[in-house]
Amino acid sequence: QVTLRESGPALVKPTQTLTLTCTFSGFSLSTSEMCVTWIRQPPGKALEWLAVIDWEDDKYYSTSLASRLTISKDTSKNQVVLTLTNVDPVDTGTYYCARIHLKYTDYDGYYYQGLDVWGQGTTVTVSS
Amino acid sequence: DIQMTQSPSSLSASVGDRVTITCRASQTISTYLNWYQQTPGKAPKLLVYAASTLASGVPSRFSGNGSGTEFTLTVTSLQPEDSATYYCQQSSSTPLTFGGGTKVEIK
Repeated sequence: QVTLRESGPALVKPTQTLTLTCTFSGFSLSTSEMCVTWIRQPPGKALEWLAVIDWEDDKYYSTSLASRLTISKDTSKNQVVLTLTNVDPVDTGTYYCARIHLKYTDYDGYYYQGLDVWGQGTTVTVSS
Repeated sequence: DIQMTQSPSSLSASVGDRVTITCRASQTISTYLNWYQQTPGKAPKLLVYAASTLASGVPSRFSGNGSGTEFTLTVTSLQPEDSATYYCQQSSSTPLTFGGGTKVEIK
């Protein structure tokens, strides 16, 4: 059974760095095609994709947040860590991690499949 | 970045109605389009991937269609438990992007 669980501080002050951990089980991030991605959702608003890391340690980020985001993995601990620097109240919301597969076809090259398993989310408030 | 635009942003329909949600991509994404269902306080759930393939356990009243830049999610006979917000998401290239969501309410 594949599970993911997000953890981190519930409250962060403006300008601080937010560090979130995704701990997963049921799959390995050293296995071909496996990736973990982060998504967030401000209260009452739409989903926003943040970052993804794959089994080869390739990393991709949201264009608007790339300068503030870092994603990393610890394969031995089955964990993926997301850091967001210089937080602001607009960063308040629920942060989710999810599993995603990276596939390859001869005609399209690499592409991602759907986010097939999600964590329950962790709520972060940025406030002084 | 590929922009995803959903319509309508909300709708209200009766049990048994046929409901269709549209998602448009700002550039062609082949069939690399996924749909999610989110109920209040819960994480999203994958409904459809690769534009038309139902995820495991998803009722057959849900169906996805489309390719290129225009996609639809259809519920053939709306049920009370289908009251939720639905999101499309393109997985053709990074940055991955979501649509703005469609809130479906039951009359």
